[in-house]
Amino acid sequence: NAGVTQTPKFRVLKTGQSMTLLCAQDMNHEYMYWYRQDPGMGLRLIHYSVGEGTTAKGEVPDGYNVSRLKKQNFLLGLESAAPSQTSVYFCASYSTSGTTYEQYFGPGTRLTVT
Amino acid sequence: AQSVTQPDIHITVSEGASLELRCNYSYGATPYLFWYVQSPGQGLQLLLKYFSGDTLVQGIKGFEAEFKRSQSSFNLRKPSVHWSDAAEYFCAVTGGFKTIFGAGTRLFVKA
Repeated sequence: NAGVTQTPKFRVLKTGQSMTLLCAQDMNHEYMYWYRQDPGMGLRLIHYSVGEGTTAKGEVPDGYNVSRLKKQNFLLGLESAAPSQTSVYFCASYSTSGTTYEQYFGPGTRLTVT
Repeated sequence: AQSVTQPDIHITVSEGASLELRCNYSYGATPYLFWYVQSPGQGLQLLLKYFSGDTLVQGIKGFEAEFKRSQSSFNLRKPSVHWSDAAEYFCAVTGGFKTIFGAGTRLFVKA
């Protein structure tokens, strides 16, 4: 059981480049989330998904797109990267079949945009 | 609206001393509350959680937290800090499937 995995772990982009971050979970969780973490700001929700084929905006969605074509995967895309998107990105998943409301986190992706 | 406030950006304690990290929340109903720890370069690890019942909850690594409804607080405590506890700590509140995190408190441990 790998839990939640994220690919890649590190990435450096130039302004205007695009990329996709992949999150995968093997726990059959319905809900998946993308957060960004910046110093002094905790984790802020970018987008989330409540099931395969559905996505919704979180607190800071601008400049990002997401897709959930398969239940186990949640992709975060940056179409035209900006220096303000330099951050650490965390994916998380959560199951409604449990009663703990605990989110399970991936190890993070450190993205630098120059 | 939900919100979480961690008043202390950073705290320094001596190894062996006691620790209390503060967390205040705003939520309309009974909240589900969490404390997570993040070591440098790592993801978030759940320390403990509160849903209902006993207001003093025990977690991993010797941590505990007390839910005080009248003060809207969920402070994290440890009686004796170890050097390995140096990390960043996040308080979080959940109302359903969305979680709001505090800004975090970085703990420094001095020998």
